[in-house]
Amino acid sequence: KNQVEQSPQSLIILEGKNCTLQCNYTVSPFSNLRWYKQDTGRGPVSLTIMTFSENTKSNGRYTATLDADTKQSSLHITASQLSDSASYICVVIPTGGGNKLTFGTGTQLKVEL
Amino acid sequence: GAGVSQSPSNKVTEKGKDVELRCDPISGHTALYWYRQSLGQGLEFLIYFQGNSAPDKSGLPSDRFSAERTGGSVSTLTIQRTQQEDSAVYLCASTGQGRVSTDTQYFGPGTRLTVL
Repeated sequence: KNQVEQSPQSLIILEGKNCTLQCNYTVSPFSNLRWYKQDTGRGPVSLTIMTFSENTKSNGRYTATLDADTKQSSLHITASQLSDSASYICVVIPTGGGNKLTFGTGTQLKVEL
Repeated sequence: GAGVSQSPSNKVTEKGKDVELRCDPISGHTALYWYRQSLGQGLEFLIYFQGNSAPDKSGLPSDRFSAERTGGSVSTLTIQRTQQEDSAVYLCASTGQGRVSTDTQYFGPGTRLTVL
C-alpha cells in the first residue's frame, strides 16, 4: 500500500473555476510535505514546501494546507487557467528517512475552456 | 543552461541491450538524484550522490542498474541487459546543499526509455 495516496486520480474543470486536490499519507514522522506540478513531458516543479508544524503555504494561486493530526494535505487552485493542466504530486519526506522521498501517484488535472 | 538537462530525451532499445542515460545537474549543485517514473506509479528513488561521499544506492532495483558521477557534476545511469519492465521515464534532480529535508529539488525533463 502506497504511503502517500492522492485523490481524485483525475479531474476536469472549466477555466476560471477553483479546485482542491487531496493527499492522505501514513508516513510518520515526517519533516516536510511538498506539492509538485508536473507538465506532460517535463520534470516536476516544486510548488510548496511545508514543515510538519505549518498549516498552510501559498504560492500565487496555489494554496497548500496540512493537517498533521489527520495526516491530510490539500492543494487548492484558485481561478484555474489552461496552463494549470498538469499532474500534481504530493511528496512526503520522512524524518530520518535518508534520501528517500515518498511520492504520491499524482492527480491529473485538465482545465478546459 | 540554467536548469538540469538530460539526454537522450527518448531512447528505444531492444531487450537485452545496455543503455546509458546522462544527467547534467545545475552548476554548483552538490547533490544529484535519479528517479524512475513508471506509468501510473509515483516516482521511485534509485540513487543519490552528495559531493564526494559514497552514493546511496539503496533504491537500485537490481544489479543491472548502476550509476556514476564524474567530477562531482555529470552523472550517468547505466542499465545492463534491459528488460521490458525497465520501460519508464528516468528523472534526474539536483539540489544545492544536499539537505533532502529542506532543499528544493530541481528536476530535469527526463529520459523516456522504451524496451521492446
